[in-house]
Amino acid sequence: QVQLVQSGAEVKKPGASVKVSCKASGFTFTSYGISWVRQAPGQGLEWMGWISVYNGNTNYAQKLQGRVTMTTDTSTAYMELTSLRSDDTAVYYCAREGAFGGNYPSGPLYYFHGMDVWGQGTTVTVSS
Amino acid sequence: EIVLTQSPGTLSLSPGERATLSCRASQSVSSSYSAWYQQKPGQAPRLLIYGASSRATGIPDRFSGSGSGTDFTLTISRLEPEDFAVYYCQQYGSSPWTFGQGTKVEIK
Repeated sequence: QVQLVQSGAEVKKPGASVKVSCKASGFTFTSYGISWVRQAPGQGLEWMGWISVYNGNTNYAQKLQGRVTMTTDTSTAYMELTSLRSDDTAVYYCAREGAFGGNYPSGPLYYFHGMDVWGQGTTVTVSS
Repeated sequence: EIVLTQSPGTLSLSPGERATLSCRASQSVSSSYSAWYQQKPGQAPRLLIYGASSRATGIPDRFSGSGSGTDFTLTISRLEPEDFAVYYCQQYGSSPWTFGQGTKVEIK
């Protein structure tokens, strides 16, 4: 079945880095994009950024620019966050978003219809 | 960035009642690129509505979305016991994509 399976919980010290993986199955990975969303304890959802699996183009939330890197390989997406702070403590989700609509001279075309498949979430705790 | 404000913060209703959730954007959302998600405790969000009014695959027809520009609405025509949850609106028409703060639908 169509699913995204994320890596396990992480505990990190302030200043460290974390890399969360998100393995796709049941669909053609290269035909979609992947968004990353996080949720601090008891709080709402925060979009972190999006990556095109087709060509690796990224769009990061400005507040995380310079600290976040999103990459992909054959069937897995990765999100690395550096210089961790206590307010990075959250559940991190990957989600499938954007269906590839072909490559054009202006670049790849994606059709966005919301985040329709979600990983189960990875808890990242930042604590000294 | 576009700020989304959801109201009310909490909605207390009984099963079988109608729920109307509102989402107002600080500026117009292009091409009605708005979505609604349902989240239950300990679970990942679930896509309900995209494009302001299109139901996602497998979503029951008691869920409907409407609106354009700066005002969007999610309506649950008759609440089922499994519908009590937190609902988030989202816009993906302008970067950064943003979410509302959520509306909790609780059992009265």
